[in-house]
Amino acid sequence: AQSVSQHNHHVILSEAASLELGCNYSYGGTVNLFWYVQYPGQHLQLLLKYFSGDPLVKGIKGFEAEFIKSKFSFNLRKPSVQWSDTAEYFCAVTSIYNQGGKLIFGQGTELSVKP
Amino acid sequence: EAQVTQNPRYLITVTGKKLTVTCSQNMNHEYMSWYRQDPGLGLRQIYYSMNVEVTDKGDVPEGYKVSRKEKRNFPLILESPSPNQTSLYFCASSKSRRQETQYFGPGTRLLVL
Repeated sequence: AQSVSQHNHHVILSEAASLELGCNYSYGGTVNLFWYVQYPGQHLQLLLKYFSGDPLVKGIKGFEAEFIKSKFSFNLRKPSVQWSDTAEYFCAVTSIYNQGGKLIFGQGTELSVKP
Repeated sequence: EAQVTQNPRYLITVTGKKLTVTCSQNMNHEYMSWYRQDPGLGLRQIYYSMNVEVTDKGDVPEGYKVSRKEKRNFPLILESPSPNQTSLYFCASSKSRRQETQYFGPGTRLLVL
């Protein structure tokens, strides 16, 4: 069965520090990859997605992610975080072979940014 | 405004008392699904629907029912809630089953005593 693994459960950074959140998935076929963000008390919002093409994907709020097929990875990056980036981040994957288009989520990474 | 709405947003109930959480989308999406979010487990799919009158089980369907009588609505029914169904529930929708971006509702926080 497909699975998604996020390396860090909780990351604490100071403002202006660089961020990289790891995400690995288990499926070897064609996949669609997503990063969602959940701000405190809010619903999930799409940060960025990869379907095909340029493996370096740019999203909202200065986030980007790189799809490395050989490593089954889709890591999220931001060069300089802000206090307002404090949130929980979820990596998710789906594929044409997924039952009913199911999104498979990682466990989530909680990011705390200290002002 | 394109959105997915859920009601209620917060609910406290007791074991065995039937409840329904409503979900509605105004984007004419074919695909809708329900997820539950639990600490350390991420989101897990409960049920999904690819179109009107077409529903199927996700990863954790036990104790839940759904129906899809209209394209815009996809209610989640707990016939006899139990404390292990205490969770945060999200409804989501997308254009089709072809792995398009899913849009999430605001969530329903349920506590079963």
